[in-house]
Amino acid sequence: QSALTQPASVSGSPGQSITLSCTGTSSDVGGYNHVSWYQHHPGKAPKLMIYDVTNRPSGVSHRFSGSKSGNTASLTISGLQPEDEADYYCSSFTSRHTYVFGTGTKVTVL
Amino acid sequence: EVQLVESGGGLIQPGGSLRLSCVASGFTFTDSWIHWVRQAPGTGLVWVSRIIGDGSGADYADYAKGRFTISRDNTKNTAYLQMNSLTAEDTAIYYCAKTPVGVASAVDAWGQGTMVTVSS
Repeated sequence: QSALTQPASVSGSPGQSITLSCTGTSSDVGGYNHVSWYQHHPGKAPKLMIYDVTNRPSGVSHRFSGSKSGNTASLTISGLQPEDEADYYCSSFTSRHTYVFGTGTKVTVL
Repeated sequence: EVQLVESGGGLIQPGGSLRLSCVASGFTFTDSWIHWVRQAPGTGLVWVSRIIGDGSGADYADYAKGRFTISRDNTKNTAYLQMNSLTAEDTAIYYCAKTPVGVASAVDAWGQGTMVTVSS
């Protein structure tokens, strides 16, 4: 199972909006509404930001939103803040009843 | 407070075996599926395996099939990952994580991880 494809890095200024992409296939992202997004600050445990494409767990800022079109899922961060600087990983359920993570995107707040 | 605490990592020679443990507290253990995820130095997160709440079913990544076995003891609120025939490519931080109630496709709490180093 190949990792889902994410851009290596995305940057933005405070207050801006950025969108992270996550591209898979019809056997994972495109075939199921089971895409999740995780924020990972190095040295800390990853944090669930979005599950099942669009759902936000309680306690996660409304500035984070998810969507999907075809084989590509997206995470949008609105009103970018310095604390949003982290690595972000998408994950999807697959047709083989396994899970696959994305390659990860490093978000930099300029 | 939800807590997941991994242990059992360490330095192991190629071909060796290790059993990782994940002790859970602060939630109803049987309500959650447990996943193991790993991260090799300088690389991204990689899914390893998952086990359902009552322990009756499990799935594995291709590289883990036949070498790794996931299990759980619900009387001890503990999940395990038995790893055999280890190679240098298995060197990574291993995290356990739990699913939220009613959601099987994501994990909402992670441990801090345990480091496994495979080297001679």
